[in-house]
Amino acid sequence: AAGVIQSPRHLIKEKRETATLKCYPIPRHDTVYWYQQGPGQDPQFLISFYEKMQSDKGSIPDRFSAQQFSDYHSELNMSSLELGDSALYFCASSPPAWEGRAYGYTFGSGTRLTVV
Amino acid sequence: DQQVKQNSPSLSVQEGRISILNCDYTNSMFDYFLWYKKYPAEGPTFLISISSIKDKNEDGRFTVFLNKSAKHLSLHIVPSQPGDSAVYFCAASAFSFTGNQFYFGTGTSLTVIP
Repeated sequence: AAGVIQSPRHLIKEKRETATLKCYPIPRHDTVYWYQQGPGQDPQFLISFYEKMQSDKGSIPDRFSAQQFSDYHSELNMSSLELGDSALYFCASSPPAWEGRAYGYTFGSGTRLTVV
Repeated sequence: DQQVKQNSPSLSVQEGRISILNCDYTNSMFDYFLWYKKYPAEGPTFLISISSIKDKNEDGRFTVFLNKSAKHLSLHIVPSQPGDSAVYFCAASAFSFTGNQFYFGTGTSLTVIP
């Protein structure tokens, strides 16, 4: 079965550079979520999109922006990178509400961003 | 404000014994509850769910209990195995027409000792 695809798997950037993370949800899933997990921390919710519109916002820094495109894939853009942005970034997707919530979100394997 | 809480950050259990992970929630509109399992450097994976019309759901070694009056759910793993060692997150959701939104607890790290 198709899963949530995240690219790249690993990314190394220098301070003050820009990074773009991509997420391809499971086909027919209409909602995408982004999470950030710092070293030794629990995943923190950043932002979500439903039908290409931002649906909820968590602790996303102003230096970050995201969007969901017409094919439902999503990109997280991170500018003026700081050392503290080094983390594992997870994307998840979920099906339409009318399909039920029995299985919740499906998470991707994550993108590990290292800022040096 | 944390709507879903896991008050035990860690739990250690002997192999073969029962592991009980607890979760409390505050929003009475939540009507779907899930447990996820997460290994280091991997995305969380779905484990088991329960809707508010039930008070128990069982899947093999995993059973989730829901006490709506107490706004409490628990995950029982019997018997516990070393491969169960992971971080477990509970999550809760209220129905919405504008996309599913689950609220996650902060996780409980389970260690099963061989």
